[in-house]
Amino acid sequence: KNQVEQSPQSLIILEGKNCTLQCNYTVSPFSNLRWYKQDTGRGPVSLTIMTFSENTKSNGRYTATLDADTKQSSLHITASQLSDSASYICVVILRPYNTDKLIFGTGTRLQVFP
Amino acid sequence: KAGVTQTPRYLIKTRGQQVTLSCSPISGHRSVSWYQQTPGQGLQFLFEYFSETQRNKGNFPGRFSGRQFSNSRSEMNVSTLELGDSALYLCASSFRGRGNTEAFFGQGTRLTVV
Repeated sequence: KNQVEQSPQSLIILEGKNCTLQCNYTVSPFSNLRWYKQDTGRGPVSLTIMTFSENTKSNGRYTATLDADTKQSSLHITASQLSDSASYICVVILRPYNTDKLIFGTGTRLQVFP
Repeated sequence: KAGVTQTPRYLIKTRGQQVTLSCSPISGHRSVSWYQQTPGQGLQFLFEYFSETQRNKGNFPGRFSGRQFSNSRSEMNVSTLELGDSALYLCASSFRGRGNTEAFFGQGTRLTVV
């Protein structure tokens, strides 16, 4: 069964600290993987998109890594800010790409405290 | 360039009623996808419309339906509402809904069924 599991479910860190969120998937065949940030009560916003041939991709203080062999991805947040408090959703897309083949993780809820 | 606009932002309905949600995509985008988001299930794909045609459909009952107009605006209808339909309904638009094209989400409509 195609699944995307994220850990931890929730995370609390202090402002300025780094953190890493994990995403493990059993999806096959794999097309690409995306990380989204979703603020409470708002729609998800894309952070990164990676194909199976890409190992890492950065977007400011956000760096995503992908290991297609172990089917693991991580999202590393550097020097966290209060505005990073949100849910982070990992989405894996099956190949061939189609909108009904997006497999969503249930997200990691990150809270950054001053 | 205006983002994806969903209306209304909030709705309260009673069981048995029907509801219509609206989504205006980014100008030039022809693909509109709808998702249901609940705390327990995360994001789940409902259906996708492209050029006024339903191109893909998720695993939801026939009470959930949609359509797309010639200007790419889309509506989603839920009939005979059930308590379990309470959720955040998100739509996402993209240029063609294929490959690695970026999908942009609206802020969602929060539906509460009482």
